[in-house]
Amino acid sequence: DAGVTQSPTHLIKTRGQQVTLRCSPISGHKSVSWYQQVLGQGPQFIFQYYEKEERGRGNFPDRFSARQFPNYSSELNVNALLLGDSALYLCASSSGQAQETQYFGPGTRLLVL
Amino acid sequence: QKEVEQNSGPLSVPEGAIASLNCTYSDRGSQSFFWYRQYSGKSPELIMSIYSNGDKEDGRFTAQLNKASQYVSLLIRDSQPSDSATYLCAVKDTGGFKTIFGAGTRLFVKA
Repeated sequence: DAGVTQSPTHLIKTRGQQVTLRCSPISGHKSVSWYQQVLGQGPQFIFQYYEKEERGRGNFPDRFSARQFPNYSSELNVNALLLGDSALYLCASSSGQAQETQYFGPGTRLLVL
Repeated sequence: QKEVEQNSGPLSVPEGAIASLNCTYSDRGSQSFFWYRQYSGKSPELIMSIYSNGDKEDGRFTAQLNKASQYVSLLIRDSQPSDSATYLCAVKDTGGFKTIFGAGTRLFVKA
C-alpha cells in the first residue's frame, strides 16, 4: 500500500508570492494534518482536517489556509510568503479517531528568497 | 501554552550501549504519547506509541510512561550507528486531535 504522498518535494519562491502544497493520505485514512518544521525544531501543528472539515488550527497567521477534498487529499496554501516561512512542510495521515497514531509523508521543503 | 520538553543533546553513546531519551509534558489531560525518529533531511517515522503507565517494549526499544510525573522516556538497547538520528517526543493534547512535538534530542552512536 502506498504511504502518504506529498508534492512537490522541493520549492523555491520569493517573498510576497503564494504557494500551494499537496498531500494524499494513506488509503482508508480520512484525516490529514499539516505541520511546519523549521530547522532545529520539532514540527509545529498548523491544521487538522477530517471529512473535509477543519478540526483544529495551530497558532499560525491567516496567510495559512487549507482544505480537504472528497477523496481526502488536502492542500495547504500560504499567501504573502515571508523569509521565515522557509521550512519543511509535513503532512500526516490518520483514520481520524482521537488519540490515534499519525503517519508522516516525505514533506515539501520550501525555500523563500 | 501546552509544552513538550526534551533535552536537545547531542547525546553520544558507544555502539552496544543503552541510550536513554527523556521527555516531559505540561498537559495533564494527555492520553497518547509517541516517539518518532527523524534522520537528517527526512520526515519523522514512528517508533512507538504508548497510552498506559508503565513500560512497552518493541524489539530494542522500550517506552516508559509515568502520567503522574508527566514524563515519558525511550530506551534504545544495543545501540547501533544506524540509530544516530533526532528523536522526537510527541504528545496528543486533551482533545486527542492536536499533536505537540518536542524540539527533539540528537543521538550519536559511535562505532
